[in-house]
Amino acid sequence: QQQVKQSPQSLIVQKGGISIINCAYENTAFDYFPWYQQFPGKGPALLIAIRPDVSEKKEGRFTISFNKSAKQFSLHIMDSQPGDSATYFCAARAKFNAGNNRKLIWGLGTSLAVNP
Amino acid sequence: GAVVSQHPSWVICKSGTSVKIECRSLDFQATTMFWYRQFPKQSLMLMATSNEGSKATYEQGVEKDKFLINHASLTLSTLTVTSAHPEDSSFYICSARDLRTSGKQQYQFFGPGTRLTVL
Repeated sequence: QQQVKQSPQSLIVQKGGISIINCAYENTAFDYFPWYQQFPGKGPALLIAIRPDVSEKKEGRFTISFNKSAKQFSLHIMDSQPGDSATYFCAARAKFNAGNNRKLIWGLGTSLAVNP
Repeated sequence: GAVVSQHPSWVICKSGTSVKIECRSLDFQATTMFWYRQFPKQSLMLMATSNEGSKATYEQGVEKDKFLINHASLTLSTLTVTSAHPEDSSFYICSARDLRTSGKQQYQFFGPGTRLTVL
């Protein structure tokens, strides 16, 4: 059962454009929503994250929008650059529950290609 | 910043042999480390969670006797793939949870991954 659904699977954007990746979750017992960026052959790196008590968070060209009632959150990459070409994963962390080690539940990923 | 290293970065082995992968937190202590595997163009699949000084907790469907995890210290966890077969070929990634960031934003720091190829 996929608890975090990510779309689109792949995305092509022109340089300077806006890249938008969406995620939806089913479990309300999540309390932390990070986005990770992964380049081929490398481990994922935290890009930006948000908690459910905030509707938007911006860090440079990256913005997370969070809609708690719709159980959706999205990543916006403004002024997309060829160097942003990578795979992006959304994730959700379970609220504290003794023994679950608060593992991350991952989306299936979005392959982003930014054309020069 | 918090850095997690993995060794080796890639390994090729013959079928039937065992391979050990190390995961180290270089500048912080990690009570919890996570081991993932990732197939090409797929998401990360959590294999197990290891806590320092205790037995690892394996995800459903992951054979604990095949994927041995040892978390002997606050900075080192190892994953041993025993009697490896070609279907075990994958990208193995570890992550470590920084003690100091409990409750704060930065939760898991990821290693660079280890590419295992079993011939």
